[in-house]
Amino acid sequence: QVQLQESGPGLVKPSETLSLTCAVSGYSISSGYYWGWIRQPPGKGLEWIGSIYHSGSTYYNPSLKSRVTISVDTSKNQFSLKLSSVTAADTAVYYCARLWFGESDDAFDIWGQGTMVTVSS
Amino acid sequence: SSELTQDPAVSVALGQTVRITCQGDSLRSYYASWYQQKPGQAPVLVIYGKNNRPSGIPDRFSGSSSGNTASLTITGAQAEDEADYYCNSRDSSGNRWVFGGGTKLTVL
Repeated sequence: QVQLQESGPGLVKPSETLSLTCAVSGYSISSGYYWGWIRQPPGKGLEWIGSIYHSGSTYYNPSLKSRVTISVDTSKNQFSLKLSSVTAADTAVYYCARLWFGESDDAFDIWGQGTMVTVSS
Repeated sequence: SSELTQDPAVSVALGQTVRITCQGDSLRSYYASWYQQKPGQAPVLVIYGKNNRPSGIPDRFSGSSSGNTASLTITGAQAEDEADYYCNSRDSSGNRWVFGGGTKLTVL
């Protein structure tokens, strides 16, 4: 079955760049679907960060757009998140997910287990 | 508008029916999807589109939509349904996604 697994540093210093990777197994990213990143600060709700298609087309949350880059590596069957100039407000559990994209309906149908990233010196 | 509004908390007696709602202008154009999240776990998709359940989701979960409001209904709530529920949809631009603030469901 399709599985997603996030990886990356659990601790990032303020003003530095947060970098995470999502490895996809059981499905080839090149075959289709969009892929996305979602985060959840401790005790708070979910926030969509951005999504990417296997071709590289991206969509970003306007509130984060100036700091976010999402990229895809089809040869490694993975996609990545970079968030620059982080502050304590970026401390959160970061999830990657597969996004089924329809004409008027869509859904994040498969999620990774999530990885906690803390921003602290 | 790019916002989706949910009631922060809802409670239901064991075995009864509960409706969780999500309001937003974009819901006039796009269907909502619904996610169940239990403590310490990743969200799980329970309803998407007009009223579609992924494989493995019990049929006591159903979805509906009217105007700017989407609803998730649990018919015959079970103790294991106690969780946070989030709605999600595209915003009015059509190429950005937004989550509701979440509803904490307590099963009494």
